[in-house]
Amino acid sequence: AQSVTQPDIHITVSEGASLELRCNYSYGATPYLFWYVQSPGQGLQLLLKYFSGDTLVQGIKGFEAEFKRSQSSFNLRKPSVHWSDAAEYFCAVGGEYGNKLVFGAGTILRVKS
Amino acid sequence: DTAVSQTPKYLVTQMGNDKSIKCEQNLGHDTMYWYKQDSKKFLKIMFSYNNKELIINETVPNRFSPKSPDKAHLNLHINSLELGDSAVYFCASSPQVGGREQYFGPGTRLTVT
Repeated sequence: AQSVTQPDIHITVSEGASLELRCNYSYGATPYLFWYVQSPGQGLQLLLKYFSGDTLVQGIKGFEAEFKRSQSSFNLRKPSVHWSDAAEYFCAVGGEYGNKLVFGAGTILRVKS
Repeated sequence: DTAVSQTPKYLVTQMGNDKSIKCEQNLGHDTMYWYKQDSKKFLKIMFSYNNKELIINETVPNRFSPKSPDKAHLNLHINSLELGDSAVYFCASSPQVGGREQYFGPGTRLTVT
């Protein structure tokens, strides 16, 4: 069965600093991996996805993520955080029949000025 | 134009009532989903439909009944509402079954009193 672990419940970074949000997954076959962002009171917006190929994927808003099969990880990074990046970030894995996504518990990002 | 829309955005009702949430997507996708996000922001799939056919039913109580009149619509009807049903319900759609990205609606916040 699929599972996702996001070890950090909260992360606080200064504006302009770099960011890395951790995600570890468990899945028997090649996973499909996603990062979504949820601002307060909003729906989920897809930041980026990994299906196959290049293990470094670029997304919207300057985010990128790297798939590391040996570590079962798909960490999200951004070189310079903006105050508008404050939100909750969800990592998800898919691939089983029916395309259900299994989500991690989320990481709340706070940005201090 | 909104890609995935849900109505209503907010729903407050009393225990024992029956209510429905509607979802429509104009992306031309074949697959639609319902997810539940609880008070701790944990997201879990409930149902998935592919071309009006139910393909995922994640052991949801049978008080919950999804209906897909066509592939652009997936409604959720809930009978005999309970306090524990209070949550945010998200509809999503994807281009096909099998590991493709899902696009989420804005969510419906259901409060049962």
